[in-house]
Amino acid sequence: DAGVIQSPRHEVTEMGQEVTLRCKPISGHDYLFWYRQTMMRGLELLIYFNNNVPIDDSGMPEDRFSAKMPNASFSTLKIQPSEPRDSAVYFCASTKTGRGSYSPLHFGNGTRLTVT
Amino acid sequence: RKEVEQDPGPFNVPEGATVAFNCTYSNSASQSFFWYRQDCRKEPKLLMSVYSSGNEDGRFTAQLNRASQYISLLIRDSKLSDSATYLCVVNLSSNDYKLSFGAGTTVTVRA
Repeated sequence: DAGVIQSPRHEVTEMGQEVTLRCKPISGHDYLFWYRQTMMRGLELLIYFNNNVPIDDSGMPEDRFSAKMPNASFSTLKIQPSEPRDSAVYFCASTKTGRGSYSPLHFGNGTRLTVT
Repeated sequence: RKEVEQDPGPFNVPEGATVAFNCTYSNSASQSFFWYRQDCRKEPKLLMSVYSSGNEDGRFTAQLNRASQYISLLIRDSKLSDSATYLCVVNLSSNDYKLSFGAGTTVTVRA
């Protein structure tokens, strides 16, 4: 099992540029989550999908952020335009449900974003 | 009030000591609880789930107190390798999957 795969590992960009983060969940997992982690705010849930459908995007900070999941094996988180306060580590995680129970999350290695 | 609150620590303990800390949650309807561990500059990884009756995994013991809405983690005979940030995780939804993370409790075990 390859685990959750995120790319890129590091991204440095200038304010105003578009940033696209990518995630490949574990095969067979039906939930996908995007989290953002900073020292000040800890891990924040941005959005999550179930069977490729966005369920709750109330954590998305503003309209500059958007996320898509065109199929079960791929999701993107886009920031346009980026701002220095978006600098953080962005984690993607996936899990699968079964028999009415909820399983723990499997996280990717994260994307460390720096916006200058 | 935050949805999930933890004492940030740090807890600095010698090897072999016992360390314990709590996490409180705001939603009384929460059903699933976990402890995750996060090492510096790494992704969070599941340490253990927390069951209603309490559960133990080696040197780690987790407890759930629904009446007071908190969970706890106890580490016995602590090792240097236990140094990490421990994240309390609560499913805020009673019918779906919306995991909220606490800010973490930092534990440092010294030789």
